Amino acid sequence: AQSVTQPDIHITVSEGASLELRCNYSYGATPYLFWYVQSPGQGLQLLLKYFSGDTLVQGIKGFEAEFKRSQSSFNLRKPSVHWSDAAEYFCAVPNAGNNRKLIWGLGTSLAVNP
Amino acid sequence: DAMVIQNPRYQVTQFGKPVTLSCSQTLNHNVMYWYQQKSSQAPKLLFHYYDKDFNNEADTPDNFQSRRPNTSFCFLDIRSPGLGDAAMYLCATSTPRGANYEQFFGPGTRLTVL
Repeated sequence: AQSVTQPDIHITVSEGASLELRCNYSYGATPYLFWYVQSPGQGLQLLLKYFSGDTLVQGIKGFEAEFKRSQSSFNLRKPSVHWSDAAEYFCAVPNAGNNRKLIWGLGTSLAVNP
Repeated sequence: DAMVIQNPRYQVTQFGKPVTLSCSQTLNHNVMYWYQQKSSQAPKLLFHYYDKDFNNEADTPDNFQSRRPNTSFCFLDIRSPGLGDAAMYLCATSTPRGANYEQFFGPGTRLTVL
């Protein structure tokens, strides 16, 4: 069955440190890939997406992600974390059986120490 | 700005008292979704509309109903809320761009059941 795995449930980093959030997927073909961010009590905001082409994708808020087909991964990175980046991060791929629907990872909660 | 709007942002209801949550969009997207999200969990799709075509998820309780009177508006009706229905309810929209359906989310409605 199709799945999205975010191995890290919770991560804590210091402000100014670099960040990498992991996402692995299972999918027969090259998928579309999404990273969403959710601040406490808010809806989800799209950070970035991969459809095709350049495997390094730039997003909003200084985030980037790299698609690695050989590793079935789409890890999210930021070189220097800000306190406002504390949030929940979700990786998602379209459902192969119905691409109007998304399959979600369980999310990674990011805490930022001052 | 084009957006997805949810009202109210916070809703308190009593056990068993019907409640309606609303969602509107100015994006003119033909797909609208309702998700339920409990604390520290990924969003769970309840159902979605493709234009007027209603698509229920197999595990969505009968207690949850939806209406989409026109392209812009979609409602979530909870006929007899139980304590377990306390959650964040997220509305999202999308429209096909090629084979992709990128979803745009509203800010959510936090439902409390007393």
